[in-house]
Amino acid sequence: GAGVSQSPRYKVTKRGQDVALRCDPISGHVSLYWYRQALGQGPEFLTYFNYEAQQDKSGLPNDRFSAERPEGSISTLTIQRTEQRDSAMYRCASSLGISGSGMNEQFFGPGTRLTVL
Amino acid sequence: SQELEQSPQSLIVQEGKNLTINCTSSKTLYGLYWYKQKYGEGLIFLMMLQKGGEEKSHEKITAKLDEKKQQSSLHITASQPSHAGIYLCGADGHGGSQGNLIFGKGTKLSVKP
Repeated sequence: GAGVSQSPRYKVTKRGQDVALRCDPISGHVSLYWYRQALGQGPEFLTYFNYEAQQDKSGLPNDRFSAERPEGSISTLTIQRTEQRDSAMYRCASSLGISGSGMNEQFFGPGTRLTVL
Repeated sequence: SQELEQSPQSLIVQEGKNLTINCTSSKTLYGLYWYKQKYGEGLIFLMMLQKGGEEKSHEKITAKLDEKKQQSSLHITASQPSHAGIYLCGADGHGGSQGNLIFGKGTKLSVKP
């Protein structure tokens, strides 16, 4: 498909386990963004990349959260020692233009629903 | 920090009726995005408004940006069941397209056939 894909679509894990969420952006898109969305809320920014460089991680809640995009394409968001409050929909988006160069449409993936028991 | 407030929070309309959703920013708006969210799907990009006074239309959906009022409105004409979903407005949190989008909480639209 031509859109942003995320895997897994659903993840149930026990408290204390580590999880890795994957995002495959639209081919050729320079910028990649991670958001978290709680029920009844809009998406909340976590971090973003231009190419492989992480530009802003101010939205990551704490040091249990990390993200990487080593080759400037696929990105992984890792949550260590998960807690129940981490349960949410995690959304990834990508944009063709480089972030910071003007308004860029962000195209979102279907999200990964994370449930921490 | 910038906040976006959407009104109404939810809306039920009869098919064929017109409706308007508003998005008001607590700070200067340098541009605004409108997205639609359906269950089990990602956010679908609708429109991007880049400057005050700009108005864009796509099919039966029209969006306007009023910079002075720090507000945008989304208007749907002759609503259809396919318009049902959650509409989200988003704006650049840094006011300069730095990638950090701030979103409103969304407006849930239901269209009765």
